[in-house]
Amino acid sequence: DADVTQTPRNRITKTGKRIMLECSQTKGHDRMYWYRQDPGLGLRLIYYSFDVKDINKGEISDGYSVSRQAQAKFSLSLESAIPNQTALYFCATSDSGQGFNTQYFGPGTRLTVL
Amino acid sequence: AQKVTQAQTEISVVEKEDVTLDCVYETRDTTYYLFWYKQPPSGELVFLIRRNSFDEQNEISGRYSWNFQKSTSSFNFTITASQVVDSAVYFCALSERIMNRDDKIIFGKGTRLHILP
Repeated sequence: DADVTQTPRNRITKTGKRIMLECSQTKGHDRMYWYRQDPGLGLRLIYYSFDVKDINKGEISDGYSVSRQAQAKFSLSLESAIPNQTALYFCATSDSGQGFNTQYFGPGTRLTVL
Repeated sequence: AQKVTQAQTEISVVEKEDVTLDCVYETRDTTYYLFWYKQPPSGELVFLIRRNSFDEQNEISGRYSWNFQKSTSSFNFTITASQVVDSAVYFCALSERIMNRDDKIIFGKGTRLHILP
C-alpha cells in the first residue's frame, strides 16, 4: 500500500463549487504539505502543517483553506472553485528532527474547474 | 532569495546516449540541501536523491550520477546509457529554512527529458 494517498485522483467540477481534496499518510510523519503544479511553473507551496495545531500559509494560499484533522490527515479545500485553480495538486509529508528532511509525495489529484 | 534554475526546458536524446540535466541554485543559507525528483508520465513525484551542502562528493547510483559543485552553485544530474523508461520530467529542488524551523523546498521548473528509441 502507498505511504501517502490522495483522494480523489481526478475531479472535474464547475466554477463556484466547493471542493475538498484529501491526503492521508501512513509514514508516521508529523509534517504535511500541499502543492500545486502548473505546466512550466514547477511546484508551488499552498499550505503546510508541522503538527495538528500548526498550520501555515505558503506562497499561493489565496482561494484555499486547509484542515489537519489528525497527524495522518491533511485536507485542502477550495471554497469557491475558479478555472485558474485547474492544476495537479500534490500532498507531501516529511519527518521533523535533526537537519532537513526529505519530502515524500502522494500520487497527485488532477483537478479541472470548468 | 532562494532560487533554482533549470535552464533546459526540454531535452531529447536517442536511447543509450548519456544526458546531463543542469541545475543551478541561489541561496543565502550556509547549510542547505539539494534534491532531485522524477515525474514519469504517470504523474507521481519520485524522490531520487538528497545532498547536504557539506558533502560535495559525487554520487553514483546505477546509471544515475550527481555532480555537486558549491563553487559554481550547481547540482547536475547525469543519466548514463539512457533508456526509454528514463523519459520523464526531472525537478531539482533546494531547501529553505525560515526562522530556524519552517522547512520548505523550492523547486525548479523542471526539465522534460525524452528518450527516443
